[in-house]
Amino acid sequence: KAGVTQTPRYLIKTRGQQVTLSCSPISGHRSVSWYQQTPGQGLQFLFEYFSETQRNKGNFPGRFSGRQFSNSRSEMNVSTLELGDSALYLCASSLAAAVSTDTQYFGPGTRLTVL
Amino acid sequence: QKEVEQDPGPLSVPEGAIVSLNCTYSNSAFQYFMWYRQYSRKGPELLMYTYSSGNKEDGRFTAQVDKSSKYISLFIRDSQPSDSATYLCAMRRGNNYGQNFVFGPGTRLSVLP
Repeated sequence: KAGVTQTPRYLIKTRGQQVTLSCSPISGHRSVSWYQQTPGQGLQFLFEYFSETQRNKGNFPGRFSGRQFSNSRSEMNVSTLELGDSALYLCASSLAAAVSTDTQYFGPGTRLTVL
Repeated sequence: QKEVEQDPGPLSVPEGAIVSLNCTYSNSAFQYFMWYRQYSRKGPELLMYTYSSGNKEDGRFTAQVDKSSKYISLFIRDSQPSDSATYLCAMRRGNNYGQNFVFGPGTRLSVLP
């Protein structure tokens, strides 16, 4: 079974631009979560989508948004990029079939550099 | 105080050593515990998943959970240079799906040949 895939793997943008990142979850997984990882802050939760609905959100400004499509694929958008948005953006999917067994599987990440 | 604390490292050990990686947490609502391994420039890889106090073994890896002390550990036996990576603990509340996972900051491990 194929793992979580993320595109693109690397991105370079300038301040003020916007960016869209894409994530395809493991086949059959219905939940997709997004994280930002930086050396100083570690892994920080952005938001989670399930059945095309955002059901959980972390403490990030409104410039960070996302959506999920009917095939569970998800996109994350960051508008008006700032230098501090440079990070590894990770997508994780989970089956969400039973609370007791639910866990997350990560993609390789998209490394975003803002100049 | 952060919800999840982890020994920051870095930790360097000789090949063959037993490694102990530890996390503490403050919220007793956490019921499910995971350990991830992350190689440089890669996404985290799930190593162990546990939900009860006690030990769970998988090959050279043993995950230990002590809910009364709010403390979890990962032991690596016969460590290998290929175990050199950052190890992240993660935990989740157990009552319903709409709860995000909380990660520790990670411990960087180097196993020297």
